[in-house]
Amino acid sequence: EVSLVESGGGLVQPGGSLRLSCAASGFIFSNYWMTWVRQVPGKGLEWVATILLDGGERYYVDSVKGRFTISRDNAKNSLYLQMDSLRAEDTAVYYCATYHNILTGLRFDYWGQGTLVTVSS
Amino acid sequence: DIVMTQTPLSLSVTPGQPASISCKSSQSLVFSDGKTYLYWCLQKPGQPPQLLIYGVSNRFSGVPDRFSGSGSGTDFTLKISRVEAEDVGVYYCMQSVQFPVTFGQGTRLEIK
Repeated sequence: EVSLVESGGGLVQPGGSLRLSCAASGFIFSNYWMTWVRQVPGKGLEWVATILLDGGERYYVDSVKGRFTISRDNAKNSLYLQMDSLRAEDTAVYYCATYHNILTGLRFDYWGQGTLVTVSS
Repeated sequence: DIVMTQTPLSLSVTPGQPASISCKSSQSLVFSDGKTYLYWCLQKPGQPPQLLIYGVSNRFSGVPDRFSGSGSGTDFTLKISRVEAEDVGVYYCMQSVQFPVTFGQGTRLEIK
């Protein structure tokens, strides 16, 4: 059974840092580009970042460039999001999701349950 | 950035009746490989999003055939032929033809 489990969320002060993790199982992680999507409670979905298979290419939404870093460890079937210089507007539920299966071309087929990040003093 | 515009933003439908959601993109979603990178997902209350439709009109595994997607270029539609109580939630269209990936505002479906 496919599973994506996020962890690492919590309360952090403005300017602080947090590292989110996403543990993948039940599918061949190294066949997928992976992504983070966030959602302010009660609001819509916002794409945050995507990383290709070996981490050689990474893409970010403008609002997090220079502050967030997406990475992955294929040996551990894990995806990460290092979040620095956090702002109140980064408060959201962060979802880990598959972005692109290099064999089937399917995108966004698996999503985690999300982890809440709250940036507040 | 590609802007995705959904209409309506909310729907109230009697069970067994059809429903339709429109999604318009500010640019073509056709990539150089000829494929159209338009998706529909549903976020049920308290749950993460789940993929319904990929590539405009392909139902994802396990999605009931009462859901169908259509359209081309910049105009797309999600139709539910007969709404059921379990279809309640927020529907999003999304594009991944180019970065940044962008989503529509969401359409909230409720049951009358």
